Amino acid sequence: DAGVIQSPRHEVTEMGQEVTLRCKPISGHNSLFWYRQTMMRGLELLIYFNNNVPIDDSGMPEDRFSAKMPNASFSTLKIQPSEPRDSAVYFCASSLGGGAANEQFFGPGTRLTVL
Amino acid sequence: KNEVEQSPQNLTAQEGEFITINCSYSVGISALHWLQQHPGGGIVSLFMLSSGKKKHGRLIATINIQEKHSSLHITASHPRDSAVYICAGLLMDSNYQLIWGAGTKLIIKP
Repeated sequence: DAGVIQSPRHEVTEMGQEVTLRCKPISGHNSLFWYRQTMMRGLELLIYFNNNVPIDDSGMPEDRFSAKMPNASFSTLKIQPSEPRDSAVYFCASSLGGGAANEQFFGPGTRLTVL
Repeated sequence: KNEVEQSPQNLTAQEGEFITINCSYSVGISALHWLQQHPGGGIVSLFMLSSGKKKHGRLIATINIQEKHSSLHITASHPRDSAVYICAGLLMDSNYQLIWGAGTKLIIKP
């Protein structure tokens, strides 16, 4: 198995631009998580999907952030408009079964820089 | 005060030394994850445990849920063990909400 796939690996954009991050979970996994990691705040859960349904999006910072999971093999995290404070590493993780009660498999992350 | 405290924050040791990283938490959890973040940024799950002890190669994790404490041990440490080690507790009454430690940065010198 290829593991969790994220793209792009690096993204540099200017303030105000739209950014779309993509994630392909491990086949058969039905839980998907988007995390953000910064030096100041560490790892934070942004949104959790189970069976393609958003269960908890309370970690999404504000309306500029949105996430979708149109099918079991694909999810996107969109930031529009982007701001410099959104600069961080964004991780996607998937797991088998419900939630974080099982091992989570992380993607390589997308390093986002907003100038 | 953070809900999850890891100690030490930074640890430098010589190759071959026995390493202990501690994780204490102040809220009720049902299980705890230990993860490793490589210098390149990738995150790998090492253990998930809710009681007792688990061992994988040179890594050993222990937990005492009642005392709200977990430890990660590395025997015969090697420079390739250099990484950030992160603990995360699964909140009681939730099957997905993790509370994260800030991480322990470990450097093993040859």
